Amino acid sequence: DTAVSQTPKYLVTQMGNDKSIKCEQNLGHDTMYWYKQDSKKFLKIMFSYNNKELIINETVPNRFSPKSPDKAHLNLHINSLELGDSAVYFCASSPGGAVPRYQETQYFGPGTRLLVL
Amino acid sequence: ILNVEQSPQSLHVQEGDSTNFTCSFPSSNFYALHWYRWETAKSPEALFVMTLNGDEKKKGRISATLNTKEGYSYLYIKGSQPEDSATYLCAFRTGGFKTIFGAGTRLFVKA
Repeated sequence: DTAVSQTPKYLVTQMGNDKSIKCEQNLGHDTMYWYKQDSKKFLKIMFSYNNKELIINETVPNRFSPKSPDKAHLNLHINSLELGDSAVYFCASSPGGAVPRYQETQYFGPGTRLLVL
Repeated sequence: ILNVEQSPQSLHVQEGDSTNFTCSFPSSNFYALHWYRWETAKSPEALFVMTLNGDEKKKGRISATLNTKEGYSYLYIKGSQPEDSATYLCAFRTGGFKTIFGAGTRLFVKA
């Protein structure tokens, strides 16, 4: 059973389209994240939800909108896709609760490779 | 702006060599330093969480040290094996929810 899963794995689309990436975790974790891996290979935080509540919202264009229907899911919707949105997007989750937040390990999904043409 | 830097960017070693690489991070507002191992076509997986100055952690042939006063951590691999080939990421944690990742050190171990 995959702990953190993302769909789709690959997404090729035209500029201007709207697309969604889905993330699900079956670990019972409270916190979920979206990261973008930029051209220099850095993982940059975009959003984080804790118990369905938005807790991190970095300087990301408002064309990107996260949605957490429940604790196990965090989806990313992107409107009006641009060439610069091409990247690998990683979802992650962490437990919440038992240990201090900063000690928590994050569990990553396999990534979604988005290519905007 | 909080920066986490890793060096070298990439490293090629022979099987059996021991190697080490560095993660530099801000020495203020430090809460934790995480190391992750990221194999090609897979997801990053946790190696260590380090919180105290002078911490040393070990898992098999891989170990790590932490100096929070000067803002660096070393990762050591003893007797590298081809299966150690991966990108090794470090990640700096402040007290909040945010994690700041380095760009990683890409290790290639040749048989």
